[in-house]
Amino acid sequence: NAGVMQNPRHLVRRRGQEARLRCSPMKGHSHVYWYRQLPEEGLKFMVYLQKENIIDESGMPKERFSAEFPKEGPSILRIQQVVRGDSAAYFCASSPAWGRLMWTSWETQYFGPGTRLLVL
Amino acid sequence: QQPVQSPQAVILREGEDAVINCSSSKALYSVHWYRQKHGEAPVFLMILLKGGEQKGHDKISASFNEKKQQSSLYLTASQLSYSGTYFCGTQADRGSTLGRLYFGRGTQLTVWP
Repeated sequence: NAGVMQNPRHLVRRRGQEARLRCSPMKGHSHVYWYRQLPEEGLKFMVYLQKENIIDESGMPKERFSAEFPKEGPSILRIQQVVRGDSAAYFCASSPAWGRLMWTSWETQYFGPGTRLLVL
Repeated sequence: QQPVQSPQAVILREGEDAVINCSSSKALYSVHWYRQKHGEAPVFLMILLKGGEQKGHDKISASFNEKKQQSSLYLTASQLSYSGTYFCGTQADRGSTLGRLYFGRGTQLTVWP
């Protein structure tokens, strides 16, 4: 059973370019979360999505950042016109569909390996 | 709503015990513990739901005191593989912030042979 997959693992962009980060959840999982981690810090929540729905985007900057989780295909976190401050590790996590499994299984979030974005 | 973890860092010899604490100013619904090694993804350790339960597997266990909004992670007879940064993630309110986790800044654990 493959875990959460993210690509690319490393991404280098120049200021002003666009960054696209992809996340494929674990098989059977329909909830996706995106977190950002700066060096030596904890993970900061950005956005929570279900298939074709944004459930909570309160942690995502209003400008330049967008996220989607289409019916088919991976979840995408897009950062437009990147700036140096966007340099960070971006992790996605997934959890199973609500109501299908035990509460503890639904609540558990499994993380992918992350995409390390470097903005030059 | 970020939980506070203590201590910030722990250095142990193989076989020694450690306790990592996580406290929140908000009423907690659940506490999640993860371990992250440098450059890798956080790995899920365990989840505790409100009700004051204690969980464990192998030599790692955790408790959750709902009234105090605190959780502690206990590492017994530590092994070299326990080295890493431990994060607690909390869910403060199932209704309004369904799904999102608030993470502490982490506790860096180093185990020496």
